[in-house]
Amino acid sequence: AQTVTQSQPEMSVQEAETVTLSCTYDTSENNYYLFWYKQPPSRQMILVIRQEAYKQQNATENRFSVNFQKAAKSFSLKISDSQLGDTAMYFCAFMTYSGGGADGLTFGKGTHLIIQP
Amino acid sequence: DGGITQSPKYLFRKEGQNVTLSCEQNLNHDAMYWYRQDPGQGLRLIYYSQIVNDFQKGDIAEGYSVSREKKESFPLTVTSAQKNPTAFYLCASSSGTKRNTEAFFGQGTRLTVV
Repeated sequence: AQTVTQSQPEMSVQEAETVTLSCTYDTSENNYYLFWYKQPPSRQMILVIRQEAYKQQNATENRFSVNFQKAAKSFSLKISDSQLGDTAMYFCAFMTYSGGGADGLTFGKGTHLIIQP
Repeated sequence: DGGITQSPKYLFRKEGQNVTLSCEQNLNHDAMYWYRQDPGQGLRLIYYSQIVNDFQKGDIAEGYSVSREKKESFPLTVTSAQKNPTAFYLCASSSGTKRNTEAFFGQGTRLTVV
């Protein structure tokens, strides 16, 4: 079975600080894709960042970056210069492929991130 | 505008009734998915479809059914066999190729059993 574990149910930091959200996963597959999604109070799921497992270089998107440790099956998200609009639920997820098509995303239980003014 | 449309936004069901949630996409995506979200549980996969006229069970398929007769549409039926159907339901789609893996989500349907 494939699982995703987010060990921090809730985190709170001051605006402009840097925060790191942790994620570990377990899979027997060698080729997969990892994601961080953000879900603000509107409940719309928004892709934050994506990482291909075969790439060693960590992905970055503006203030968001990941620390991908394939051997440790770890995929943490770092948010730099945090902003009030970053307040949301953050979900770690991964996707594998079978039969020539994409399987469903497997999600962690989420981390509720609160940015304090 | 391209995207995924779920309807209705809110849905109320009496116990013992079946109800169907709509999901339509105009992104020309091959793969579509249904997730259930409960507080503290994250998103759990109900069913997914990689291609028209084919679909697979996810982790919590019991009490649900789907069809994929058209590429654009992937309706979810919550049957009376689902013992605890009150939840937030999200539909998603992706191109299904390894080059474009991002899943796009609809705005969700909140189902409440009354």
